[in-house]
Amino acid sequence: AQTVTQSQPEMSVQEAETVTLSCTYDTSESDYYLFWYKQPPSRQMILVIRQEAYKQQNATENRFSVNFQKAAKSFSLKISDSQLGDAAMYFCAYRISRGNTPLVFGKGTRLSVIA
Amino acid sequence: NAGVTQTPKFQVLKTGQSMTLQCAQDMNHEYMSWYRQDPGMGLRLIHYSVGAGITDQGEVPNGYNVSRSTTEDFPLRLLSAAPSQTSVYFCASSRTGSEQYFGPGTRLTVT
Repeated sequence: AQTVTQSQPEMSVQEAETVTLSCTYDTSESDYYLFWYKQPPSRQMILVIRQEAYKQQNATENRFSVNFQKAAKSFSLKISDSQLGDAAMYFCAYRISRGNTPLVFGKGTRLSVIA
Repeated sequence: NAGVTQTPKFQVLKTGQSMTLQCAQDMNHEYMSWYRQDPGMGLRLIHYSVGAGITDQGEVPNGYNVSRSTTEDFPLRLLSAAPSQTSVYFCASSRTGSEQYFGPGTRLTVT
């Protein structure tokens, strides 16, 4: 069974600094997607970034980028120039790309941003 | 597009009562799912559906029932509410293999 592990229950970062959230996963599949979701206090789940496993290039969305290491099964999220609005729970998730299979989530990392 | 909608936003039930959480999407997505979120547990999959008339169990299905009679709707039924079902419930939908779009969630309290 696929599993997703986020080893940092809580992290904090100073405003304008950079922080990296860790995620590892376990799978025997070769073709899959990885995602980072943000959940602010409003509770809404917001997609931050996605990565297709067949792509070697790391995905980037403005201040958010990932470090995808397929062989190591690692998928970390880097937030640059952190802002107060980045404070949230962040969830790493995995999904096989073929068929309609469930999304598998990690337990989340709570990020605090210090002004 | 309204995206994924859920009703109600908040609900309080007494132990033993039954109720249905509603979920609808207007994106013509085949895949829909229900999760519950509890502190320190992340999101756990309750049930999912890959199309109208097809449903399957997730990680924590006990005490919940689903049906999918249309592509748009995927209601979640609590048969006899228990305090252990106090949680925040999310519905989500997606196309094949892609990211999921989430509803705003329902906070359920069972006393």
